[in-house]
Amino acid sequence: GDSVTQMEGPVTLSEEAFLTINCTYTATGYPSLFWYVQYPGEGLQLLLKATKADDKGSNKGFEATYRKETTSFHLEKGSVQVSDSAVYFCALSVDQFYFGTGTSLTVIP
Amino acid sequence: GAGVSQSPRYKVTKRGQDVALRCDPISGHVSLYWYRQALGQGPEFLTYFNYEAQQDKSGLPNDRFSAERPEGSISTLTIQRTEQRDSAMYRCASSLRSAGGPIAYNEQFFGPGTRLTVL
Repeated sequence: GDSVTQMEGPVTLSEEAFLTINCTYTATGYPSLFWYVQYPGEGLQLLLKATKADDKGSNKGFEATYRKETTSFHLEKGSVQVSDSAVYFCALSVDQFYFGTGTSLTVIP
Repeated sequence: GAGVSQSPRYKVTKRGQDVALRCDPISGHVSLYWYRQALGQGPEFLTYFNYEAQQDKSGLPNDRFSAERPEGSISTLTIQRTEQRDSAMYRCASSLRSAGGPIAYNEQFFGPGTRLTVL
């Protein structure tokens, strides 16, 4: 069945470090791929999305490229900030949404 | 306009009681989704509606769980005879339209969730 596997956390980085959170998927059909973020005490918010192969989603300095050949959608940011501390969820959608288990990121000054 | 709202935000109940969780989606959104999220896990799909029609209820864990959206707007998730294992965050989301065709794009907007604790 359809599913998402994402890198387990927690991840702790120093400010301005490079971030990668791995996400791979299994899907029938042609899924759309998403990264959602959950800041402390808040609900889930869409961070970025890609709807077809080779699309790159980007927002707030974060990027992810839909790689059909490797079935991946890794999240990257070149220089993280303390304000990026949150839980990040990879998700795919074909007819319903499937979420990964989430990766907690803490950025320290 | 307003985002997705859910009520109550917190619900504590005794085992065996029934609970009803409410979701008010963004105005004009066709699709409405219910998820359950355990601590440290991602949201787990329960069910979803297009307008008033329940499209998929395959994620409902057992027949104690039911959902309705009678007028295609507000939805209620009902859990009968609650058990301690039902304790979780219940999240609602809405989108303009559900997936369809070879490319699915249905950005979902999430509500703040209802934290259910069954004692």
